Amino acid sequence: SQTIHQWPATLVQPVGSPLSLECTVEGTSNPNLYWYRQAAGRGLQLLFYSVGIGQISSEVPQNLSASRPQDRQFILSSKKLLLSDSGFYLCAWKKQGSTDTQYFGPGTRLTVL
Amino acid sequence: GESVGLHLPTLSVQEGDNSIINCAYSNSASDYFIWYKQESGKGPQFIIDIRSNMDKRQGQRVTVLLNKTVKHLSLQIAATQPGDSAVYFCAENSQGAQKLVFGQGTRLTINP
Repeated sequence: SQTIHQWPATLVQPVGSPLSLECTVEGTSNPNLYWYRQAAGRGLQLLFYSVGIGQISSEVPQNLSASRPQDRQFILSSKKLLLSDSGFYLCAWKKQGSTDTQYFGPGTRLTVL
Repeated sequence: GESVGLHLPTLSVQEGDNSIINCAYSNSASDYFIWYKQESGKGPQFIIDIRSNMDKRQGQRVTVLLNKTVKHLSLQIAATQPGDSAVYFCAENSQGAQKLVFGQGTRLTINP
């Protein structure tokens, strides 16, 4: 069966510090991968998605970037965090090439102070 | 989308009653629909899905109805329990699209 992992689970960072959130998927190959952000009490905002290694599509121009160095690894980064980067970050995967369900990871709660 | 920044609408029901959560979509090419449940502090979990060649699908205590004519999707939860308290999101996908389009979400609260 497939599983998706995110770490860390929670993170408190000062403004201006760098960020690296990691997401890995097990039990499948060549998945589509997604990063979402969710502000408290709000909906899901798609940040980036990837259909293959090194292929990143950006949905919202902002202070973040994404990379996919390996088939089942998706990384969300920032060089300098802003207060507005606080939120709940969710990674998700889907089988490529199919109209199919997207599965979410457990999320990372980021607080920027 | 534009709905991401809005506060979630809330639905309050009595424990034991049936709940109906509604969702409207705009893309007539959408052919696959999903309902997710998100509990506080967790990632959204798949509940049930339906393809456009169906208008009803049932699971355990949940039923999804699809009305393609008016582009409307609903989730019915029978005999609502305290554990059903969560935010519920609908999502749609169309053939060839790489990403889902999510609805704004509805917060379901259960009154004892």
